[in-house]
Amino acid sequence: DAGVIQSPRHEVTEMGQEVTLRCKPISGHDYLFWYRQTMMRGLELLIYFNNNVPIDDSGMPEDRFSAKMPNASFSTLKIQPSEPRDSAVYFCASSLGPGWGNTIYFGEGSWLTVV
Amino acid sequence: KNQVEQSPQSLIILEGKNCTLQCNYTVSPFSNLRWYKQDTGRGPVSLTIMTFSENTKSNGRYTATLDADTKQSSLHITASQLSDSASYICVVSWDLSGTYKYIFGTGTRLKVLA
Repeated sequence: DAGVIQSPRHEVTEMGQEVTLRCKPISGHDYLFWYRQTMMRGLELLIYFNNNVPIDDSGMPEDRFSAKMPNASFSTLKIQPSEPRDSAVYFCASSLGPGWGNTIYFGEGSWLTVV
Repeated sequence: KNQVEQSPQSLIILEGKNCTLQCNYTVSPFSNLRWYKQDTGRGPVSLTIMTFSENTKSNGRYTATLDADTKQSSLHITASQLSDSASYICVVSWDLSGTYKYIFGTGTRLKVLA
């Protein structure tokens, strides 16, 4: 299995620019999660989808952030406009379900630096 | 307020030694507790998942325990190896009217020395 695939792995952008992060979940997984990790705040869940439908987006920090899942094999997290405080590692993860019996598999992350 | 606290913040041990990491939570109602290992520059990898009815769960040299009454969990690493050097993150989740909520601990950074 290829695992969860994220792109780009690293991105450096200027403040004000649009950033799009991409994710391909593990085939057959119905749940997709987007997380953000910083030194200050640790790991935070931003949003998660079930069968391509957003279930909980309460972790999305503000309107500059948006996430979509147009089909079962692709999701995007967009930041527009980006700000230096958005610099973080963004992880995508997928699972068969959020419950106790299901492992959540993480991608390798997209390292974002906004200057 | 729902919280997850991990201790110690960091730990250095010699190869071959055992160690125990702690996770205390105030989440209620509680659904499940997960321990993850995160190598530097990589995504977290699941070690164990436990519900409130489980006391112990093992994964090789990793053993997690859970005391739902005191809201405490521990991760015990036996015969540590250099490859155990990583951050260990405790995650507690609960079901809020059909929507799963998650709280992450800030992690314990473990360094195993030769």
